[in-house]
Amino acid sequence: EAGVAQSPRYKIIEKRQSVAFWCNPISGHATLYWYQQILGQGPKLLIQFQNNGVVDDSQLPKDRFSAERLKGVDSTLKIQPAKLEDSAVYLCASTPVITGGGANVLTFGAGSRLTVL
Amino acid sequence: AQTVTQSQPEMSVQEAETVTLSCTYDTSENNYYLFWYKQPPSRQMILVIRQEAYKQQNATENRFSVNFQKAAKSFSLKISDSQLGDTAMYFCAFLLQGGNYQLIWGAGTKLIIKP
Repeated sequence: EAGVAQSPRYKIIEKRQSVAFWCNPISGHATLYWYQQILGQGPKLLIQFQNNGVVDDSQLPKDRFSAERLKGVDSTLKIQPAKLEDSAVYLCASTPVITGGGANVLTFGAGSRLTVL
Repeated sequence: AQTVTQSQPEMSVQEAETVTLSCTYDTSENNYYLFWYKQPPSRQMILVIRQEAYKQQNATENRFSVNFQKAAKSFSLKISDSQLGDTAMYFCAFLLQGGNYQLIWGAGTKLIIKP
């Protein structure tokens, strides 16, 4: 099966500019996650979708970050305006429908590296 | 709240040696899962191995095995016959059964395999 697709792989922008990242999860995966990973740290969850609904966006800086998952398939994460501290890798992951007793593995994309100058 | 601790920021070993990466976690729950993920320089996060807390038997996947000590809340990863391609960041992660299905991540261990 095809993996989780992300684009672009790299993006360099000036602070205060805007940027958008795109993710296409594995076909049939209902749950989609966006993570921010700063160099040398573990991933930090930004937002979790189940189908086209938001499960958790408590750590999303909503004054500058937004995400959507129209039609419950692919997703876009936007940053506007960007700050220096937003420099990070943005990882997208997906998994099948959450079941209470299961341990469906998260499958990750290759990530999008953002550098804010 | 659950936490995951990886106390070794960086390790290096010679090729073909065996290396063990440490992970401890804290939870008051009884039903959960533990994972080791590998992140090479290409940045793709790849599942290495997973363990169900209700299973006493330690999980193994080829050269990778875990030592799961539930009472001690310890979950170490052993890599046997290490290869250059094992060079990567390794993350330990905890998943509580039920709930919103969100992984709790450790800070990672950078593993370098030297030729």
